[in-house]
Amino acid sequence: GENVEQHPSTLSVQEGDSAVIKCTYSDSASNYFPWYKQELGKGPQLIIDIRSNVGEKKDQRIAVTLNKTAKHFSLHITETQPEDSAVYFCAARRYGNNRLAFGKGNQVVVIP
Amino acid sequence: NAGVMQNPRHLVRRRGQEARLRCSPMKGHSHVYWYRQLPEEGLKFMVYLQKENIIDESGMPKERFSAEFPKEGPSILRIQQVVRGDSAAYFCASSPAQNNSPLHFGNGTRLTVT
Repeated sequence: GENVEQHPSTLSVQEGDSAVIKCTYSDSASNYFPWYKQELGKGPQLIIDIRSNVGEKKDQRIAVTLNKTAKHFSLHITETQPEDSAVYFCAARRYGNNRLAFGKGNQVVVIP
Repeated sequence: NAGVMQNPRHLVRRRGQEARLRCSPMKGHSHVYWYRQLPEEGLKFMVYLQKENIIDESGMPKERFSAEFPKEGPSILRIQQVVRGDSAAYFCASSPAQNNSPLHFGNGTRLTVT
């Protein structure tokens, strides 16, 4: 089955700086890659996703890039704010298979 | 437009008791997924259901765990004879019927087995 890995496990950034989290996946047939943000005591919230027919997608301060050849995708958060502090999960799914395989998560801490 | 609703938010059970976790999907969603999250771990897939059908239960332990999504009412994840190792956060997600739709998660049920 699909195996998704995230690096680094914890990331501390100064407010206003950028944060980048990278994920690798193993199944070359995967074609859908969402990112979720989880705050303490809450469920994962979908913040951005990308499909394999595009290389980059942006939504305000958040962007995701995909490198299909290297089988990795990254989340970029620019101009970080304290409310960006959370655990971020990447996931991958192959076409026709509705289940998502998740990475273990990255703790992002934005230092005011 | 209510999101995915899970209840209870917190559930405490003694070893050997039964735990019932409920999930109401988003309006218009007919697919439900259950995931388990252990402390400082990612989400592990358990089971995928459509109305009245279990589509994929490959992540579900073979014993004591069962899930259903009846024609009327919420999806239920049932854990019989709970053990301490069952303590975790259980999340439900839902999606529309179309293939490859995004999953939307509820806020989970935190099960503690004493």
